[in-house]
Amino acid sequence: DTEVTQTPKHLVMGMTNKKSLKCEQHMGHRAMYWYKQKAKKPPELMFVYSYEKLSINESVPSRFSPECPNSSLLNLHLHALQPEDSALYLCASSQEWGDNQPQHFGDGTRLSIL
Amino acid sequence: AQKVTQAQTEISVVEKEDVTLDCVYETRDTTYYLFWYKQPPSGELVFLIRRNSFDEQNEISGRYSWNFQKSTSSFNFTITASQVVDSAVYFCALSEAINFNKFYFGSGTKLNVKP
Repeated sequence: DTEVTQTPKHLVMGMTNKKSLKCEQHMGHRAMYWYKQKAKKPPELMFVYSYEKLSINESVPSRFSPECPNSSLLNLHLHALQPEDSALYLCASSQEWGDNQPQHFGDGTRLSIL
Repeated sequence: AQKVTQAQTEISVVEKEDVTLDCVYETRDTTYYLFWYKQPPSGELVFLIRRNSFDEQNEISGRYSWNFQKSTSSFNFTITASQVVDSAVYFCALSEAINFNKFYFGSGTKLNVKP
């Protein structure tokens, strides 16, 4: 079992819906990440949180809104998404942002936008 | 410019064959880290290995081995006696000290191991 837990595993939503993706880790990691992965492509970094503060936003559209309520949890709030936003969304965590340690990934949420 | 190149898009082998996945990287940083991840159809990226730029020693872990050569900027991954469970997409990634752990992933190599 992965040490990074993501829910839900699958999500289908319309373009006007609001939904949230959740990620949880209990490894004491202080850096958490959101990635987007399209089919047959590598993951693309979206956001980085370090000590619960947003450190990196890779020019992600505002219809994606991250939130880090505490050191173990990371959310991604979705609103007014477009069909091209359909992808696998991966959460990851590592000991610290910038220490070049391995990132540990969850199973991802497969998102489909109708 | 692409920092990590995995030229092999897809490889098919028969079980028990050895297979090598190539990874070539590009960086100007003297301190950097290289990683390999495995992504089975379930979606999770599974960490396999991390190597820093100062350690060129090759590594073996069971059926897996890695060959790091700074002279050719390569970090190749060999699976010996492949098994069907090795079927997955494998990503090589680069992390540079100056870029704070941002991962630059290669495009991935899909490995199909047939029984």
